[in-house]
Amino acid sequence: GAVVSQHPSWVICKSGTSVKIECRSLDFQATTMFWYRQFPKQSLMLMATSNEGSKATYEQGVEKDKFLINHASLTLSTLTVTSAHPEDSSFYICSARGLSRQAGWYTEAFFGQGTRLTVV
Amino acid sequence: QKEVEQNSGPLSVPEGAIASLNCTYSDRGSQSFFWYRQYSGKSPELIMFIYSNGDKEDGRFTAQLNKASQYVSLLIRDSQPSDSATYLCAVFIYSSASKIIFGSGTRLSIRP
Repeated sequence: GAVVSQHPSWVICKSGTSVKIECRSLDFQATTMFWYRQFPKQSLMLMATSNEGSKATYEQGVEKDKFLINHASLTLSTLTVTSAHPEDSSFYICSARGLSRQAGWYTEAFFGQGTRLTVV
Repeated sequence: QKEVEQNSGPLSVPEGAIASLNCTYSDRGSQSFFWYRQYSGKSPELIMFIYSNGDKEDGRFTAQLNKASQYVSLLIRDSQPSDSATYLCAVFIYSSASKIIFGSGTRLSIRP
């Protein structure tokens, strides 16, 4: 399957600081990136959807000024958690869907490895 | 009503038996349907996807889709202890704001 690389895999930061998480599609053009958050023993909650070159579409209840999403290229999207607080501690996962150069058709949504964020 | 619903389980199945996981969805505009497996602390991994009504088989896995009933299922034959995980049903909705919505997941436990 297609490869989506997410970095870092884990991060610990102090309350009030900002954290940037990167999501890269390695072998296909990711026209759409999805960002999810998952709390322990809960399902993935979609935070926002971003299409390359456009502003992200945020789900209801997700603060766009707190969770900044940039999708400037077909292979990279970033999520920045600004002024992080302990309640932002969670598992953040990106997924990418797009056109496979090899297959010539849209790939299914593949996930990055996830980022475990702990705010202390 | 949730957009994608699954029984949270846990579903306990003896090793070697068939595990049956079910999922219903509310949006008739849903186009693609996915089953993911997620081990604790790990990211989901895609098992199967299905677009058309009927069955789709891949190894020990069979996905079944019934768009009229808005129902999708996953069968796991010859269940193994390594199949113990949470299985997430996901639906791709193509619209002005295309997105993939996940169910809450079903915990499957295969007992030796």
